[in-house]
Amino acid sequence: DTGVSQDPRHKITKRGQNVTFRCDPISEHNRLYWYRQTLGQGPEFLTYFQNEAQLEKSRLLSDRFSAERPKGSFSTLEIQRTEQGDSAMYLCASTLGSTDTIYFGEGSWLTVV
Amino acid sequence: KQEVTQIPAALSVPEGENLVLNCSFTDSAIYNLQWFRQDPGKGLTSLLLIQSSQREQTSGRLNASLDKSSGRSTLYIAASQPGDSATYLCAVSMEYGNKLVFGAGTILRVKS
Repeated sequence: DTGVSQDPRHKITKRGQNVTFRCDPISEHNRLYWYRQTLGQGPEFLTYFQNEAQLEKSRLLSDRFSAERPKGSFSTLEIQRTEQGDSAMYLCASTLGSTDTIYFGEGSWLTVV
Repeated sequence: KQEVTQIPAALSVPEGENLVLNCSFTDSAIYNLQWFRQDPGKGLTSLLLIQSSQREQTSGRLNASLDKSSGRSTLYIAASQPGDSATYLCAVSMEYGNKLVFGAGTILRVKS
């Protein structure tokens, strides 16, 4: 396994449409995180999972956002009724529970027009 | 609420110079601190991780120090190279396995 994989890498959507991003973490990594990053800023935490359980959600994650991790493997982040303010890079990361080293994917760029 | 600040926001140096990037955080009760590198349009790569009980970590030309009581960390890059050009991000975690709080980063350009 070469690392955390995210799909799609780029998405352009019209305002009001729904979008879904997928993240495949490194095999056997039990913790999975979603972050959002806008230009010129550091990543901001959105949510994280330990196995299939969603343990924490940021206040940034409005009702239009939902994340799942069925069976504790891959994860999806869905944004409903997209707004221009949702335009950002969505980063997924994973860690193995016994270590602190975190591995990030290449990110999924979202542009809402 | 933990806040992380990085200074300077941008830095341009000639090749071969030694340089220091600064990171400060408001709540000293951290679990660990990490430094990351991010190339344009890419994800983050972990460079160094310092546990709260440690004072510094070294990897090759990189050395990171941590002064938890004063809420500061520095990343020292020796003999900088053009390939070091990237954004460097500092992040802290408040407990094991928990979320990271990031600074806005320092954009480094090393001129050949």
